[in-house]
Amino acid sequence: DIQMTQSPSSLSASVGDRVTIPCRASQNISNYLNWYQQKPGKAPKLLIYAASSLQSGVPSRFSGSGSGTDFTLTISSLQPEDFATYYCQQSYNTPRYSFGQGTKLAIK
Amino acid sequence: EVQLVESGGGLLQPGRSLRLSCAASGFTFSDYAMHWVRQAPGKGLEWVSGISWNSNSVGYADSVKGHFTISRDNAKNSLYLQVNSLRTEDTALYYCTKGTMVRGGDFDHWGQGTLVTVSS
Repeated sequence: DIQMTQSPSSLSASVGDRVTIPCRASQNISNYLNWYQQKPGKAPKLLIYAASSLQSGVPSRFSGSGSGTDFTLTISSLQPEDFATYYCQQSYNTPRYSFGQGTKLAIK
Repeated sequence: EVQLVESGGGLLQPGRSLRLSCAASGFTFSDYAMHWVRQAPGKGLEWVSGISWNSNSVGYADSVKGHFTISRDNAKNSLYLQVNSLRTEDTALYYCTKGTMVRGGDFDHWGQGTLVTVSS
């Protein structure tokens, strides 16, 4: 099975900061990588699919990059509503998918 | 508007069984792969099981294989998860999710979840 690793598990930043959140796959997954945002008490929301494509309705300050095994979610200028937990997920190994452990983004 | 509404959760004792349901609306249910994802209290997301649009392909996480059975009824726009021999580690919020047309493993819509608590 493909293991997804997100490190660090938490990070802190300030409003207006540029933030990058890494994710690593245990094997080559091409661009079969998605990013989700989850706020407390809410269902996850798809932000980025196919490593770098912005889901409809998601603000353009969010972007994704990477291919193969190493991926990054970038928030160009943090807004107060962006403090949440972010998960990466591989959709390469059909139909056995997996998530990273999540990175919690907190206010500094 | 896409809506996914889960039901069937509750407080159950270890060893019991239950069936979770997900009622879908706002899209052509029979065209899309569907999945269950769970989240234990205070923990991360775990993909549990998925089923193709025509039920020909199903998959399970190793942690639930032989223990959970996924199914769907396209005529009723419904997804199901049969859980047998409940274990305490099955305690979680269970989300129903929809795959996209291009990649069935991209989850573009989620329900609000149904809580399963397993305790004696």
